[in-house]
Amino acid sequence: KNQVEQSPQSLIILEGKNCTLQCNYTVSPFSNLRWYKQDTGRGPVSLTIMTFSENTKSNGRYTATLDADTKQSSLHITASQLSDSASYICVVSDRGSTLGRLYFGRGTQLTVWP
Amino acid sequence: EADIYQTPRYLVIGTGKKITLECSQTMGHDKMYWYQQDPGMELHLIHYSYGVNSTEKGDLSSESTVSRIRTEHFPLTLESARPSHTSQYLCASSESATNTEAFFGQGTRLTVV
Repeated sequence: KNQVEQSPQSLIILEGKNCTLQCNYTVSPFSNLRWYKQDTGRGPVSLTIMTFSENTKSNGRYTATLDADTKQSSLHITASQLSDSASYICVVSDRGSTLGRLYFGRGTQLTVWP
Repeated sequence: EADIYQTPRYLVIGTGKKITLECSQTMGHDKMYWYQQDPGMELHLIHYSYGVNSTEKGDLSSESTVSRIRTEHFPLTLESARPSHTSQYLCASSESATNTEAFFGQGTRLTVV
């Protein structure tokens, strides 16, 4: 069964600190892995997308890593800001269908305190 | 900023009413999707489309229906709303090629009373 598991479920950090969010998946055959940021009551916004051959990708203070062998990914946030408070969703796409089905994790709810 | 728009943002409606949630994108994307998301839960695919006159049901069974008469427009309709339909509905679009980004609308928060 294709699944995406994220940890932790929620996380509270102080402004300026770093944090790392985890994602494990069983989706096969693998096409790509995406990290999205979703503010409360809004649609998800893409942060990074990585294919099988990529093992790291950065977008400003966000750095995603991918280990396709162990089927694990992480999202590292550097020097957190209050605006980073949101749900971070790991999404894995398969290549076993024309649609390129997206499998969503439940997200990690990050709260940044001043 | 993604060019995909959903209206209304919030809707409170009585049981039994017919509703249509609008979704439009100006990026010329062939693929469009509707997802349902409950608080703290993952997104579930309820409908998708490969292009004009193409509509398919997703993984999560839904009493809603969709249509794709124009590339840019992918409305979702509930003929008779029920409290169990209360949820957030998210529309998304992407290019046909693989490994391309999916852009999401802001969502419609539907409450059926």
